[in-house]
Amino acid sequence: AQKITQTQPGMFVQEKEAVTLDCTYDTSDPSYGLFWYKQPSSGEMIFLIYQGSYDQQNATEGRYSLNFQKARKSANLVISASQLGDSAMYFCAMREGGDMRFGAGTRLTVKP
Amino acid sequence: DAGVIQSPRHEVTEMGQEVTLRCKPISGHDYLFWYRQTMMRGLELLIYFNNNVPIDDSGMPEDRFSAKMPNASFSTLKIQPSEPRDSAVYFCASSILDLGNSPLHFGNGTRLTVT
Repeated sequence: AQKITQTQPGMFVQEKEAVTLDCTYDTSDPSYGLFWYKQPSSGEMIFLIYQGSYDQQNATEGRYSLNFQKARKSANLVISASQLGDSAMYFCAMREGGDMRFGAGTRLTVKP
Repeated sequence: DAGVIQSPRHEVTEMGQEVTLRCKPISGHDYLFWYRQTMMRGLELLIYFNNNVPIDDSGMPEDRFSAKMPNASFSTLKIQPSEPRDSAVYFCASSILDLGNSPLHFGNGTRLTVT
């Protein structure tokens, strides 16, 4: 069964600094996708970034990058130049076959 | 392009009543998912459909919960009878294909309160 682990319930970062949110996963399937979602206080789920298990390079989307270490089964999200609007819950997820399972999430607070 | 549409946004009901949550996926999407989010249990996958067929309903809590997808543009999640512990935010999401690289597009959720 899929398992996604986010060990940081809460993180703080100073505005304009970079922050790394941790995610590890467990699967025996060689083909899978890793995703990060943002959930602001308004409640919607916003897709941020995707990494495929066969991708050779780390994914990047603007200020978001995914530090993918396949052998360690980790897929950490790096947010550069944090902004106040980045304060939210962040969820790591894995899609293996049809379904998608989520980690428990990390609450990020950006300090001015 | 309209996103995933859920209704109602908020639902308050009394214990024992039937509750029906509705979802319209993005046109052309092959997969539809129902999730439940609570503080205690996080985001739980309840059930998902592929081409209107239920594929995995192992996350459905008990027989009080049922989900249907009569056509490609509509799905319902029904709770009968409802209980206070069913209070949560229920999300519907849809995606294309099944290549492992397709993100889910979420609706805005239905906040259910059972008193």
